[in-house]
Order: sequence, then C-alpha cells, then structure tokens
Amino acid sequence: AQSVSQHNHHVILSEAASLELGCNYSYGGTVNLFWYVQYPGQHLQLLLKYFSGDPLVKGIKGFEAEFIKSKFSFNLRKPSVQWSDTAEYFCAVTMNRDDKIIFGKGTRLHILP
Amino acid sequence: GAVVSQHPSWVICKSGTSVKIECRSLDFQATTMFWYRQFPKQSLMLMATSNEGSKATYEQGVEKDKFLINHASLTLSTLTVTSAHPEDSSFYICSVLGLAGTDTQYFGPGTRLTVL
Repeated sequence: AQSVSQHNHHVILSEAASLELGCNYSYGGTVNLFWYVQYPGQHLQLLLKYFSGDPLVKGIKGFEAEFIKSKFSFNLRKPSVQWSDTAEYFCAVTMNRDDKIIFGKGTRLHILP
Repeated sequence: GAVVSQHPSWVICKSGTSVKIECRSLDFQATTMFWYRQFPKQSLMLMATSNEGSKATYEQGVEKDKFLINHASLTLSTLTVTSAHPEDSSFYICSVLGLAGTDTQYFGPGTRLTVL
C-alpha cells in the first residue's frame, strides 16, 4: 500500500540552527507533494507544495523542499530556524491525481530560544 | 486559499449520545470536503470524502452508519457521530478541496470530541 514516512518524530534545535526533515513516499507513479504545518493550538496550514517543474520548491517563512524522484523523497529544509517555527510538520502526498491525500505521521519540531 | 471553520471546537458528551460537527467553507464553494480523524501523536486518517449533493465515500474500516456525513450545500458539510463511545474520542478535522486540479486542501481548525 502507498505510504508516507517521516523519519524524525521529534526534533529539538536551537535558534539559528539549520533544519532538514525527511520525507519518503512509496509509489512509483505521478505524485503531488505537500508539507503542512500545525502551530500549537492552530489548524493545519499549507507550507509548500510540488506539482511539477523545478524540483526545488520555496514556501512560506523561508522553508523550501526538494523533490528527488530517484529517492522518492521530499525533504523540508530551512537554513536558520526561529523559535516561532516550533510546530508539528506533516509531509503529505496525493498519488496519480487522486484527490485523497496521504499524510505522514508528523514531526514535532521544538526550537529552543 | 479557502477559509474553513468548524463548530464546535470542543465537545464533551456522554456515552450513547450523538454529536454533530459542522464544517463550513467561508469564502469558497466546495464541492468536495474531506473528514479526517487524528489520534494523539499520530497522523491524520482519512475517514470519508464528502461530495455536495451525493452520498459520502467512506474509507475502508470506517462505519458509515456510525459516522453520518451530510454535504447539503457548497459551504457546509456535517459529521454526526452516532451513539458515541469513549473510543470515538478523538480530534476530527475537515478540509476543503481547492480549485479543481490543484489537489490542495485547506483545513479547518478541528473539533476535539471527548466521550465520557
């Protein structure tokens, strides 16, 4: 069955550190890829998405993600994190133009001030 | 993107009662909405796809008679948890599918259901 894996369940970083959250999916066909963020007490918000074109996607708040098809990966990066980036991050995939979205289990990011 | 609201944000009920959760698309006519369930420290699990004017499509393992979905208008979908039990306690989240072909979903803030 198709699935999305996020390798890091809980990440703790200091402010200004660089961030990379891993995401892998298992599906050989066409995919659309997403990263969603859920700040404490708030709802899920779209951080960035990849549909086609340049595999390096830039999102809001300085985040970016790179789609590497050969590795089935869509890792999220930010060169210098801030305390306000403390949140839970979900990688998600839709497969073969299906509207259904499959989520990873999420990575809880905690930034130390 | 679309603005999505849910009501109530938190509900506590007794075992055996039914609870209705509303999902509204405030600025977008949504032909398709989704209902998810999120257990603590786990991912969102898709329960059903709600299509305006037709019956919802339930995912495998989700009891359609237990979780009644009504999508009567382009801005409102409701999820009714019938004869709720403590194991139904969870966080229920709806989303709205954006413009056709974009595959982007916009999420509501969620409803926390606690069944005593």
